[in-house]
Amino acid sequence: GALVYQYPRRTICKSGTSMRMECQAVGFQATSVAWYRQSPQKTFELIALSTVNSAIKYEQNFTQEKFPISHPNLSFSSMTVLNAYLEDRGLYLCGARERGNSDYTFGSGTRLLVI
Amino acid sequence: GQQVQQSPASLVLQEGENAELQCNFSSTATRLQWFYQHPGGRLVSLFYNPSGTKHTGRLTSTTVTNERRGSLHISSSQTTDSGTYFCAIGEAGSNYKLTFGKGTLLTVTP
Repeated sequence: GALVYQYPRRTICKSGTSMRMECQAVGFQATSVAWYRQSPQKTFELIALSTVNSAIKYEQNFTQEKFPISHPNLSFSSMTVLNAYLEDRGLYLCGARERGNSDYTFGSGTRLLVI
Repeated sequence: GQQVQQSPASLVLQEGENAELQCNFSSTATRLQWFYQHPGGRLVSLFYNPSGTKHTGRLTSTTVTNERRGSLHISSSQTTDSGTYFCAIGEAGSNYKLTFGKGTLLTVTP
């Protein structure tokens, strides 16, 4: 079946430092990858949508300068949170979709705590 | 942009009772997907249901696209059904972007 793995599962970083999280699709080709952040209040925010061989599209309030994303092939994507501060804490979820398939498969998320 | 409203925000049931979760959305949707989030964070897709009715076990998803609403019915609830259920909507022409509701927290007591 289609699975998405995310790592690390949890991470703590000091305020002002950066951390990188990874997303691996298994059993299907991740043509499109969506990165979301779920706040402690449980609301979801779409950070960016990445499609292989296309430009990465960032949502309002999120920038490449703050959340650079790499999507080099059909099984892997990574995102870095640069210069993390308290407001960046939350659960970062990666959802991947295969071309021709409309539903997303999500990973378990990377929980970021900033101290 | 798309607005997704879920109701109720929370629901407490006794084991064996049925649950009906609602999802209303503001703009024309081409996709409606229901997710269950485990307490640890993992998001599991329950249904991808752009229109009509689908069944899986004790779960039934119904989407009425022209009325901009969907529902998730859980029959004979079990304690293991406890968790948060999210409805997510994808719009036509939005390059498969999903907009999530705020979820329904379901608690099933023994």
